Amino acid sequence: DGGITQSPKYLFRKEGQNVTLSCEQNLNHDAMYWYRQDPGQGLRLIYYSQIVNDFQKGDIAEGYSVSREKKESFPLTVTSAQKNPTAFYLCASSMARDYEQYFGPGTRLTVT
Amino acid sequence: GQQLNQSPQSMFIQEGEDVSMNCTSSSIFNTWLWYKQDPGEGPVLLIALYKAGELTSNGRLTAQFGITRKDSFLNISASIPSDVGIYFCAGRETSGSRLTFGEGTQLTVNP
Repeated sequence: DGGITQSPKYLFRKEGQNVTLSCEQNLNHDAMYWYRQDPGQGLRLIYYSQIVNDFQKGDIAEGYSVSREKKESFPLTVTSAQKNPTAFYLCASSMARDYEQYFGPGTRLTVT
Repeated sequence: GQQLNQSPQSMFIQEGEDVSMNCTSSSIFNTWLWYKQDPGEGPVLLIALYKAGELTSNGRLTAQFGITRKDSFLNISASIPSDVGIYFCAGRETSGSRLTFGEGTQLTVNP
């Protein structure tokens, strides 16, 4: 049963702490993406990766970091430098850069 | 960056009615995608369009790639309560460029 998994579904952290969101896919997709969604807004791209050990900044990369050590995994770290981290975070993957993107179920992060 | 204008922002309809929504861009796109998002879940891909004028159906859903290549339309026929959700369009200007997402159309279906 192929798909994209994100864990945990809900995450709570205190301000000033770094937190890592997990994203795993078993679709054998080369490209992976992280988006942030805020209420009433479209999806904004944080980081993306087209191949292992390579990734590029999206439109709102400040305060975030990623790694791509394995094809299946693309974890996102929300650092304490991110000024407004509370949001719904979505991971996506695609076969290659110009193909359709498929999304995971999302992680809702709340920082207080 | 590139922005998409998606309209309407919200729709309130009766079960059984047909629904239309659209996205427009100021520049030419070579790809249009339509997604549906249920509350608290990730978007699910409904339809992908790659050619100007292309008309593609998925059950009661039909989407079209506008001939000007600057717009796309999604129609839902005979709506049912489970059609409730947020519908997003997404487009790509050229090969290798990023997807840009519209802000979504919130659909409410009254039984």
